Amino acid sequence: GQNIDQPTEMTATEGAIVQINCTYQTSGFNGLFWYQQHAGEAPTFLSYNVLDGLEEKGRFSSFLSRSKGYSYLLLKELQMKDSASYLCAVPSGGYQKVTFGTGTKLQVIP
Amino acid sequence: DAGVTQSPTHLIKTRGQQVTLRCSPKSGHDTVSWYQQALGQGPQFIFQYYEEEERQRGNFPDRFSGHQFPNYSSELNVNALLLGDSALYLCASSLVQGLGNTGELFFGEGSRLTVL
Repeated sequence: GQNIDQPTEMTATEGAIVQINCTYQTSGFNGLFWYQQHAGEAPTFLSYNVLDGLEEKGRFSSFLSRSKGYSYLLLKELQMKDSASYLCAVPSGGYQKVTFGTGTKLQVIP
Repeated sequence: DAGVTQSPTHLIKTRGQQVTLRCSPKSGHDTVSWYQQALGQGPQFIFQYYEEEERQRGNFPDRFSGHQFPNYSSELNVNALLLGDSALYLCASSLVQGLGNTGELFFGEGSRLTVL
């Protein structure tokens, strides 16, 4: 089965950098997703990592270490609109059932 | 290009009743997954449909059932509703992972079910 662990809540200041960690255990690795979910809205895709290393996409970057079962999402130049929940998720099985973590609720303060 | 659409957006039922939720996938997508999201929690996988068959199932009782139609749209049915079934039900569509597809999920806005 899959087990995903991420912090429940984080607070950071506008303009700063924040790192949201995720550890996972999965039988068979098929990549790792990060999604953003604003309150009352649907999750939206942020990134997908399947190889070790850092993937940069604008202000957001995602890192993966398969040997450590570890990933992080790095948000730079934080803006108030970045206040949201950030969900770490891993697919498994031939039809990629995607299992989500409980999400990290990020609050950006002025 | 229409994204994933779900209906209804909100509904209220009483314990013991039955509910049907509907989902139309993003154009070109052939796989539909259903998730239950309780307040403050991550989405919990219910099941996934591909080629009109249930392919994978999460830890949900048989009260939860579904269907996929030839046009790839899908329904989620929940029988004998319990108070604990109150949640946001999310539908997500995707292409099967592989051949350059990451299997990224595209979510609808969800159906918020309240059971009284």
